[in-house]
Amino acid sequence: AQSVSQHNHHVILSEAASLELGCNYSYGGTVNLFWYVQYPGQHLQLLLKYFSGDPLVKGIKGFEAEFIKSKFSFNLRKPSVQWSDTAEYFCAVKDTGRRALTFGSGTRLQVQP
Amino acid sequence: DARVTQTPRHKVTEMGQEVTMRCQPILGHNTVFWYRQTMMQGLELLAYFRNRAPLDDSGMPKDRFSAEMPDATLATLKIQPSEPRDSAVYFCASGLAPLGQRGSSYNEQFFGPGTRLTVL
Repeated sequence: AQSVSQHNHHVILSEAASLELGCNYSYGGTVNLFWYVQYPGQHLQLLLKYFSGDPLVKGIKGFEAEFIKSKFSFNLRKPSVQWSDTAEYFCAVKDTGRRALTFGSGTRLQVQP
Repeated sequence: DARVTQTPRHKVTEMGQEVTMRCQPILGHNTVFWYRQTMMQGLELLAYFRNRAPLDDSGMPKDRFSAEMPDATLATLKIQPSEPRDSAVYFCASGLAPLGQRGSSYNEQFFGPGTRLTVL
């Protein structure tokens, strides 16, 4: 079965620090990859997605992610975080054999002003 | 501004009571998903509909949960009887799967605001 691992459960950064959140998945075939963000008390919103093509994907709010197939990874990055980036971040994977997304356990990011 | 809507936003009920959660997918979307989010389990898929037909409800406890789409603009998730362990946030999501293609390709899922359920 497909599984998604997010190794950082809780990350605390100061404003302007750089961010990298790890995401690894287990499926060896063709996958679609997503990062969602959930601000406190709100629903999930799509940050970015990868389907094919350039493995470096740019999303909203200055986020980007790099798909490294050999490492089964899709890490999320942002060069300089802001206090408003405080939220929980979920990596999700969809393989061609499943109809729905498999989510990682989430990483709670806290940005201190 | 098209978005998925869910009602109610919050529900507090007593153990044994029936709970019905509703979701209105984005107009024109033909796929609907129900997810449950808890601290312990994270986000779990409960059910998936395509063109109103249930295609996958393997994540749902069958003895007490049921999911339906009475029409293309309404999806419901019912719990009867409810138990304290059902306390969670239930998210509905919708998407658009290309017509005429077998399998599961679609672009993305749009999530609703969720229903926060507390069963006492």
